[in-house]
Amino acid sequence: AQSVSQHNHHVILSEAASLELGCNYSYGGTVNLFWYVQYPGQHLQLLLKYFSGDPLVKGIKGFEAEFIKSKFSFNLRKPSVQWSDTAEYFCAVNAGGSYIPTFGRGTSLIVHP
Amino acid sequence: KAGVTQTPRYLIKTRGQQVTLSCSPISGHRSVSWYQQTPGQGLQFLFEYFSETQRNKGNFPGRFSGRQFSNSRSEMNVSTLELGDSALYLCASSLERVTGELFFGEGSRLTVL
Repeated sequence: AQSVSQHNHHVILSEAASLELGCNYSYGGTVNLFWYVQYPGQHLQLLLKYFSGDPLVKGIKGFEAEFIKSKFSFNLRKPSVQWSDTAEYFCAVNAGGSYIPTFGRGTSLIVHP
Repeated sequence: KAGVTQTPRYLIKTRGQQVTLSCSPISGHRSVSWYQQTPGQGLQFLFEYFSETQRNKGNFPGRFSGRQFSNSRSEMNVSTLELGDSALYLCASSLERVTGELFFGEGSRLTVL
């Protein structure tokens, strides 16, 4: 069974700091990869996705993620975070013909103004 | 376009009772999935319905059940509630059962006393 690991459970940054959240998965075949974000009091929404093609994917609000197949990773990055980026971030993977994504446990990001 | 709508948003039950949660997907979306979200555990997949049929089921006891109606609306039921069932229950819809990209509702927060 596929699994998804998010190594950072809690991250605290100051505004303008750079962000990188790790995500690793355990499936060796073709994968679809996602990052979802849940702002306080709001519903989960898609931040970015990777299906195929350019492994560097750009999403909303200045976020990007890089798919590194050899490392089974899909890390999320943002060069300069803002207070409004405070949220919980979830990595998700669906693989092997399954369209049910498996989610990581999430990373809580707090950005201090 | 209206998003995924879940009702009720909040509810409090006592152990042993049962609860029914409702989800109306985005218009035109035929697949509905349910997830349980708890702190530290992330999102745990409950089940997925497509064309009124349960297509996938997660690793939850039989107390958790669901159904989908011909208009794609879905309900989930939890019988004989336990304290550990306290969680945010998320419904997500998708247009097709291909990529795994999901659109989430705001969730129903269940507290079991």
